[in-house]
Amino acid sequence: AQTVTQSQPEMSVQEAETVTLSCTYDTSENNYYLFWYKQPPSRQMILVIRQEAYKQQNATENRFSVNFQKAAKSFSLKISDSQLGDTAMYFCAFGSLETSGSRLTFGEGTQLTVNP
Amino acid sequence: DAGVIQSPRHEVTEMGQEVTLRCKPISGHDYLFWYRQTMMRGLELLIYFNNNVPIDDSGMPEDRFSAKMPNASFSTLKIQPSEPRDSAVYFCASSSPDIFSDGYTFGSGTRLTVV
Repeated sequence: AQTVTQSQPEMSVQEAETVTLSCTYDTSENNYYLFWYKQPPSRQMILVIRQEAYKQQNATENRFSVNFQKAAKSFSLKISDSQLGDTAMYFCAFGSLETSGSRLTFGEGTQLTVNP
Repeated sequence: DAGVIQSPRHEVTEMGQEVTLRCKPISGHDYLFWYRQTMMRGLELLIYFNNNVPIDDSGMPEDRFSAKMPNASFSTLKIQPSEPRDSAVYFCASSSPDIFSDGYTFGSGTRLTVV
């Protein structure tokens, strides 16, 4: 079974600074998808960014970008120009139609606090 | 679209009572997922449906839990009888057929407290 590991339970960053959240995963598949979801205090799970494993180019969405290292099975999230509204729990997730069906497997989460 | 709608937002019940959680997926989404979130176990998939048919219920903890999807716009998760260890946030999510291109859209969750 696939596993997703987020080794940083908590992180903090100053407003306007850059922070990187780590995620590693374990799979024997070659074609899969990776996601970062954000869960603010409102509890809503919000999709931040996605990456397809067969694409070498790292995904970018405004201030959010990923560093996808397929060989190392690493998928980190970089948040630039951090804002107070970025304070949330961030979850890394893995999906593969071949072995996981339609399910996403989530990591344990990283609580990010942006300080003013 | 109003997104995935879950009700109630909060539920407090006594041990032994029946609890029913409700979900309305996004129109046109034919996948529906029920997840449970706890501090100890994180986000766990309980069951998911495709075109109203249960595909994988291996995550359902025990017979006290049941889920139905009578039509494309409604699903329920029922716990009978409820126990304190069922206290958690229960999320419903839906997705288009192109699951991994679009990702899941989650509802706001139901926080269940069993006392």
